[in-house]
Amino acid sequence: DAKTTQPPSMDCAEGRAANLPCNHSTISGNEYVYWYRQIHSQGPQYIIHGLKNNETNEMASLIITEDRKSSTLILPHATLRDTAVYYCIVRVAGWYGGSQGNLIFGKGTKLSVKP
Amino acid sequence: DAGVIQSPRHEVTEMGQEVTLRCKPISGHDYLFWYRQTMMRGLELLIYFNNNVPIDDSGMPEDRFSAKMPNASFSTLKIQPSEPRDSAVYFCASSRRGATNEKLFFGSGTQLSVL
Repeated sequence: DAKTTQPPSMDCAEGRAANLPCNHSTISGNEYVYWYRQIHSQGPQYIIHGLKNNETNEMASLIITEDRKSSTLILPHATLRDTAVYYCIVRVAGWYGGSQGNLIFGKGTKLSVKP
Repeated sequence: DAGVIQSPRHEVTEMGQEVTLRCKPISGHDYLFWYRQTMMRGLELLIYFNNNVPIDDSGMPEDRFSAKMPNASFSTLKIQPSEPRDSAVYFCASSRRGATNEKLFFGSGTQLSVL
């Protein structure tokens, strides 16, 4: 079972910031927060990941609360091409195996960016 | 880099026939994963390999499914005999194990329809 909770859907206006929340209240100290997205008819695509510090890359920013029980993925200027299902996943980095190491996808948040 | 390459892109077959899905991982990656995606169950991990060796096949639904990785640049997922309930999109992904920065790269998937 996925160890994260996400809203099933969200809307965002084109050009505005999209803030996607994720709850992971049972996260362990060695588990990272990963975000992937899946655009229709494509394979999932890695976006960003982090442990406890906020992270930023060319695609997005990841804000993790101090207690690490929740996080927010921020797409600063959403475009129509950002319409996708966004998955928040927690896992132990550095090895694969079982429910801790493998990428286990939940239902994600369907983000619709509207003109 | 061409990314993870899967073939065929679409496969339509009749119940009882053998189906073989193919995957070429990214060069240099030592982990390979097979996922299945359906509307009902979402993305499920079927099996993964490390250095061509199957590590965890607990997600393989039944004995009709088998996967092989004869070398570092090729893997197959075979279904024999196929059934209508096997209809799904099958994704292959690869990764290079790293300290904390590993990420999965997914192929475009094979859309399988069993009639």
